[in-house]
Amino acid sequence: NAGVTQTPKFQVLKTGQSMTLQCAQDMNHEYMSWYRQDPGMGLRLIHYSVGAGITDQGEVPNGYNVSRSTTEDFPLRLLSAAPSQTSVYFCASSWRLENTEAFFGQGTRLTVV
Amino acid sequence: RKEVEQDPGPFNVPEGATVAFNCTYSNSASQSFFWYRQDCRKEPKLLMSVYSSGNEDGRFTAQLNRASQYISLLIRDSKLSDSATYLCVGSGGSYIPTFGRGTSLIVHP
Repeated sequence: NAGVTQTPKFQVLKTGQSMTLQCAQDMNHEYMSWYRQDPGMGLRLIHYSVGAGITDQGEVPNGYNVSRSTTEDFPLRLLSAAPSQTSVYFCASSWRLENTEAFFGQGTRLTVV
Repeated sequence: RKEVEQDPGPFNVPEGATVAFNCTYSNSASQSFFWYRQDCRKEPKLLMSVYSSGNEDGRFTAQLNRASQYISLLIRDSKLSDSATYLCVGSGGSYIPTFGRGTSLIVHP
């Protein structure tokens, strides 16, 4: 029962470095999304996907890219890390977009120095 | 203004108390609502869905008031283990889930 698996759990980057946060789900869910969570700001949607080959921007997409080549995987790429991207990142998936429970990965704590 | 607003708290209550949280939403087209629980440094997990007719699960009751555009969560007989952050979620006009900032609950002995 893996559910949603996120890697890595912790990461420290230097400003300007790039990296990819991995997210995989084994529940055959259509909808996947990435959030960042900052103190006092709650969960903010970065990008989302309603199916393989389809992605769209959320509330805070700048500085991030995503792709969805398979139903299972939804990686998040930081193109050139900035200190403002220091945050906790959560990947989530659900059976479909509306009216269904979202399952979250355990989160990635990213620090950009 | 966020589409979903919550009082961040913290709500500090003794064991056994009844506590209620409200969450307002701005998009009248919102169709689905949920309450999630998030423990410190953990991922959010679904607590309960909020139906138009209300929803009760043990000590927890969730209600939807469409006329005033808010949802509520009532916790009866609070336990120490209820200490957490409670996130309300509403769907926007495009069905994309929008999370509130969360309400912190601290239950003390």
